[in-house]
Amino acid sequence: GENVEQHPSTLSVQEGDSAVIKCTYSDSASNYFPWYKQELGKGPQLIIDIRSNVGEKKDQRIAVTLNKTAKHFSLHITETQPEDSAVYFCAASGGFKTIFGAGTRLFVKA
Amino acid sequence: DGGITQSPKYLFRKEGQNVTLSCEQNLNHDAMYWYRQDPGQGLRLIYYSQIVNDFQKGDIAEGYSVSREKKESFPLTVTSAQKNPTAFYLCASSPSWTGAGEQYFGPGTRLTVT
Repeated sequence: GENVEQHPSTLSVQEGDSAVIKCTYSDSASNYFPWYKQELGKGPQLIIDIRSNVGEKKDQRIAVTLNKTAKHFSLHITETQPEDSAVYFCAASGGFKTIFGAGTRLFVKA
Repeated sequence: DGGITQSPKYLFRKEGQNVTLSCEQNLNHDAMYWYRQDPGQGLRLIYYSQIVNDFQKGDIAEGYSVSREKKESFPLTVTSAQKNPTAFYLCASSPSWTGAGEQYFGPGTRLTVT
């Protein structure tokens, strides 16, 4: 069946460094790729998304890249801050069905 | 404030009891979803509803039931048939089930069954 693989499962960076999280998907019909941030004890919140007709999107310190041919997409966080510490989920969606990655726990050390 | 609410935040039950988790949204969204989250895993879809009075099984529906009698409400019942019910449950909604788009999540309910 369709799946989304996400790496790494845990990522620790120094404050001010960059963080990169990568995902691959299997369903060729996927055309929407959101990234969610989940803080402890809370529900996930959308931080950035990209659609299949775009290769890159940026919003301040956060950027997402998409390679549809390779079925890869990545989240880039620059100038990380302690408040960026959370679990990040990628997802791939085609129509109503959304498949989530297993999550990356990001630690930003002050 | 517009949003999606879940209650209670923490729920404890004895094995063999059914329990119902509440989910309400005032975003006027047509579609609603229930996910289960276990440590180290992504979100797994339990049930979804595209419109009032309609719902469909997701990937892990066994041992769960839902209803969608009102647009704003989508309660989930965890029955005694669910073999491993202890988990974090997330409810979400989206404007329409057609076309991929953002899902808005509630704060979640942590269910512990002993």
